[in-house]
Amino acid sequence: AQKITQTQPGMFVQEKEAVTLDCTYDTSDQSYGLFWYKQPSSGEMIFLIYQGSYDEQNATEGRYSLNFQKARKSANLVISASQLGDSAMYFCAMRPIMNSGYSTLTFGKGTMLLVSP
Amino acid sequence: DAGVTQSPTHLIKTRGQHVTLRCSPISGHKSVSWYQQVLGQGPQFIFQYYEKEERGRGNFPDRFSARQFPNYSSELNVNALLLGDSALYLCASSPNRDYGYTFGSGTRLTVV
Repeated sequence: AQKITQTQPGMFVQEKEAVTLDCTYDTSDQSYGLFWYKQPSSGEMIFLIYQGSYDEQNATEGRYSLNFQKARKSANLVISASQLGDSAMYFCAMRPIMNSGYSTLTFGKGTMLLVSP
Repeated sequence: DAGVTQSPTHLIKTRGQHVTLRCSPISGHKSVSWYQQVLGQGPQFIFQYYEKEERGRGNFPDRFSARQFPNYSSELNVNALLLGDSALYLCASSPNRDYGYTFGSGTRLTVV
C-alpha cells in the first residue's frame, strides 16, 4: 500500500517569491512515479510535474521543480517566481510502476497555496 | 485536441436515487479511471477500466459500478445514493502504460 503525506494545509507566498510545498511518501514498491497536480477552484486536476523513482536528476518543468530525496522519501514541489494564478490546491500523488497490469494514483490531502500581490 | 470530457458538470439528487456519470477519454486513450473527491480531501480511487475490462477497484461499496464502452468512453453508476456520496467525481484517462493521467473537470454531485 502507498501513503502520501502533505503536512501543510495552507501556504501563503507573495508574488514573485519562491515557495516549497512538502510531500512525503511511504511505499514498499521498488519502482514508482511521483506526481504533482494543481487543482483550481474549477475542479480540474492539472498535471504539473513527474519524477520516476529511478531518475537520478530532479524533474523540472518551467517554474516547477521537484526536489526528490529518495532516502528521505520526500518529493517536495518548488514553485519559483510565484504568480497570482498559482493560487490553488496542490496535490502530491504516487503510483507504482509495474511491468504488467495497471496501477492507480494515491493522493495526499493537498496544500492550499495563496499568492498575494 | 479535446481533453477528457465529463457530463454533467453539476448534479443534484435525492437520497435513495441513482445517478449515472459519463466520461469521454482523450482520443487514443484506452484506460479510464474514476476518482471520488470529498470536500477537503484528495481524490480516492474508485475504478479503473482498460479495453472494456475492470482492472482495479477501490474500497467502495457495491452500490458503485462502472463500465467502459467499445469507444473507450465510460459510465459510473451509483445506486441508493447517500448524503455521503456528495463529492466531485473525477475521470482520468491514460494511454497504455503512460506514466501520467489526464483528468477531466469532474462532475459535482450533491445528494440532498
